[in-house]
This record gives sequence, structure tokens and C-alpha cells, in this order.
Amino acid sequence: QKEVEQDPGPLSVPEGAIVSLNCTYSNSAFQYFMWYRQYSRKGPELLMYTYSSGNKEDGRFTAQVDKSSKYISLFIRDSQPSDSATYLCAMSKAAGNKLTFGGGTRVLVKP
Amino acid sequence: SQTIHQWPATLVQPVGSPLSLECTVEGTSNPNLYWYRQAAGRGLQLLFYSVGIGQISSEVPQNLSASRPQDRQFILSSKKLLLSDSGFYLCAGRDRAGSGNTIYFGEGSWLTVV
Repeated sequence: QKEVEQDPGPLSVPEGAIVSLNCTYSNSAFQYFMWYRQYSRKGPELLMYTYSSGNKEDGRFTAQVDKSSKYISLFIRDSQPSDSATYLCAMSKAAGNKLTFGGGTRVLVKP
Repeated sequence: SQTIHQWPATLVQPVGSPLSLECTVEGTSNPNLYWYRQAAGRGLQLLFYSVGIGQISSEVPQNLSASRPQDRQFILSSKKLLLSDSGFYLCAGRDRAGSGNTIYFGEGSWLTVV
């Protein structure tokens, strides 16, 4: 079993819809959680960074962490075709530790 | 924040040929540096990481090696490429100061071994 599980998709939504992404993990020691966006044939770019449980909002993006359920989520409101990409979750046990990545979810936002 | 430069962006190499991928970092000093490989449709596999000049840790046994000759330079090499070395290679860096738990990626290098 992988430490971090992520549905590979593709997840197809109409423009303007809410995109809901999630990752589950098995190691309760993870405390730092990140979401990256990766366009085709490009390097991942950091979208959101959260520590421990709770919510964090940045523009159209909201990240949620539920450590009791070992579950993290990313919501994209008012989705745009430019949001079409692969979204990777990542996490680590302590600041400065190596990151463990999920396999990524491919998202398609149709105009 | 730091900027990661990688080159070449794309290359096609025959089996048995050598490989050298280069990565340089701007905007920070003494970063942690990483080489990842991403196979098609799969997640990121950490290959090597470095906490300083000449200090390399290998995560998986393989046909590749890494070197860090300067603080902000990281090189991925192979003496003889295998077909299985094909993939998308990403250099990444972590700034030890400030938000030291996030890593930033370069644009990647696509390697096809034929």
C-alpha cells in the first residue's frame, strides 16, 4: 500500500464548477501538506501549503486537512479551462523532511 | 523565492550512451537540492538529494549518479543509459531559510532512450 493515495482521474468538470480533489494517507506522522499544479510537460508549481489540521484559502483555492481521518482536500471554485492540469498532493513529517507525493489527479475543465 | 533552471529540456539518447542533466538555482544560497523522476502517468520518485557541496544521498539503487560541484549546481549523470531510464526528470530545491518546508521545481528534462 502506498503511503499517499490519490485518484488518477481524469476528473472532467464544466467551466465554472467546483473542482474537488483529495488525498488519503496512512502515516499519522505527516504534519505538513502541500498541493502542486503541473501542466503537461512542465514542472510542478506550488499552490497551497498548510500545517496540521484546518482550512486555508487563497483566492479560488481552498485546502483542507483532516488529520483524524488522514484526508486532505483541495477545492477550486469557479473553475476555468486554464485550471486543466494534474494536481499533486505532497506531505512531510517535519519541516525540512523529504516530501512524499501522491500520484496526481488529472483535471479537465471544459468550456 | 528561488528559481530552478534545468537543461536540456528535451533529449533523445541511444542505449549505452552517457547522460548529463544540469540544474542551477537562483535566489537562494545553501539550498537542499533534489532530483526526481516522473514516469508517464505516475507520481514523483525521489532519486537523489543533497544538503551541501559534495554531499549526495541516493534514494534508490539505479544506473544514475548525482554530483554537486557548487552550492547552486546539481548534476544528474549516467555512464551508460538503459531503456528504463526514459522519463521526465525534475530538479528541485528547498530554501533552508524562511518557509523551508516547501520545495520548488524546475521545468524538467524529458529523456527518451532509444
